[in-house]
Amino acid sequence: GNSVTQMEGPVTLSEEAFLTINCTYTATGYPSLFWYVQYPGEGLQLLLKATKADDKGSNKGFEATYRKETTSFHLEKGSVQVSDSAVYFCALRPSNNDMRFGAGTRLTVKP
Amino acid sequence: NAGVTQTPKFQVLKTGQSMTLQCAQDMNHEYMSWYRQDPGMGLRLIHYSVGAGITDQGEVPNGYNVSRSTTEDFPLRLLSAAPSQTSVYFCASRSAGSYNEQFFGPGTRLTVL
Repeated sequence: GNSVTQMEGPVTLSEEAFLTINCTYTATGYPSLFWYVQYPGEGLQLLLKATKADDKGSNKGFEATYRKETTSFHLEKGSVQVSDSAVYFCALRPSNNDMRFGAGTRLTVKP
Repeated sequence: NAGVTQTPKFQVLKTGQSMTLQCAQDMNHEYMSWYRQDPGMGLRLIHYSVGAGITDQGEVPNGYNVSRSTTEDFPLRLLSAAPSQTSVYFCASRSAGSYNEQFFGPGTRLTVL
């Protein structure tokens, strides 16, 4: 079946530290991959996406590369800010409509 | 555009009560979905719809009903609430095409006593 496994949190970093949140997936076919972010008290917002192998999604300094050989889509940012504190969800959408989410990783960035 | 709207924001029910969570979108999206969010489990798909008059089950459909009589609205019904349905519920919509972004509503926090 289709599933997403995310690095367990919570993750606490100091401002300007390097961030990596690991995400691996299991899927049939060729899914699209997504990272969503959820700020406190809000719904999820799309952060970035990649639709085929070797694609790199990027937004707001965050990046993730679709690695088919390792079935991974790790989220990275070179220098985090306090405003990046949120919960991050990795997700996949196979060719049908059933989108699958990881459990979420809570990031806290301290000044 | 208001995007995806959900009502109510908060709700407390007693076991056995029924209620309907409302969801509406004004983006003319074909696809609409309901998810529940529980700690440590991410979002799980309850039901989804690919267009008016068409609905299908997701991962965790038991205890919930949906209908899609218009493109704009996709209500979620709890027929007989149980404490296990205590959760945060999100409605989402997107246009056709598996690459397209899914837009989420602000959520409804439901507590079943």
